[in-house]
Amino acid sequence: GAVVSQHPSRVICKSGTSVKIECRSLDFQATTMFWYRQFPKQSLMLMATSNEGSKATYEQGVEKDKFLINHASLTLSTLTVTSAHPEDSSFYICSARLRGAGNSPLHFGNGTRLTVT
Amino acid sequence: DQQVKQNSPSLSVQEGRISILNCDYTNSMFDYFLWYKKYPAEGPTFLISISSIKDKNEDGRFTVFLNKSAKHLSLHIVPSQPGDSAVYFCAASEGQSNFGNEKLTFGTGTRLTIIP
Repeated sequence: GAVVSQHPSRVICKSGTSVKIECRSLDFQATTMFWYRQFPKQSLMLMATSNEGSKATYEQGVEKDKFLINHASLTLSTLTVTSAHPEDSSFYICSARLRGAGNSPLHFGNGTRLTVT
Repeated sequence: DQQVKQNSPSLSVQEGRISILNCDYTNSMFDYFLWYKKYPAEGPTFLISISSIKDKNEDGRFTVFLNKSAKHLSLHIVPSQPGDSAVYFCAASEGQSNFGNEKLTFGTGTRLTIIP
C-alpha cells in the first residue's frame, strides 16, 4: 500500500539553528502534501499545504518565513524550521494523498519529534 | 474555533465489549469524514471513512455512523481488542473533488483503553 516516509523521526537542536524535515511518498506520486503539527494532548493542526512546483499555502497564524516548505518533486516535500526556538518544539507530521485521488484517505508519515533547547 | 470536537478525552472499555467514540462538528460544509488511529510517536493510520451521502459505513469490526442533522458521527468498534488501545481522531473535509488537495480538520482525539 501507499507509504509516506518522514525523516528524521527525532531531532534535538539548539535555539537559533535550522532544522529540515523530509517527507517522501514512497510508491505513489503526491501533487499535494500537508504539514501538520501536534502539541502534547492536542489535535493535529494543519500548518500548510505543499503543492508541487508552486508556493505552499499557509494556514492563518503560521509564519511562512519561519516554516519554509519546498515541494520540488512529486515524491518529496521538505519543511525547514528556521531559527528554531523552544516554543517550536512539537511533533511535526506530513501527509500525502495519491495524485488525482480526490477524497481518498490521507497517508501520514510517522512524524518528527523536534526538541529545541 | 474548534470545528471538529471530540468531547471525551478518554474512554475505557472491557475487552470484547463495544467501544463507541463520538465526534461533533460545526461546519455544515463538511461532507467527508474519517477516523484515524494513532499510537504514540507515530503518524495517524486511516481506519474508516464516510461520505455525507451515507449514514453508515462498515468495515469488519469498525462501523461509522453519520447523523448530518445533528452534525454528529460515531465510531463503533466491536468486539474491542487490546490492540485497539490508541488515540482516535475524527477528521472532516469539505468539497468533493478529484484534486486531492482538500485539507482535513481534526478533532482533539479520544484515548481509548481496552481493559483485558
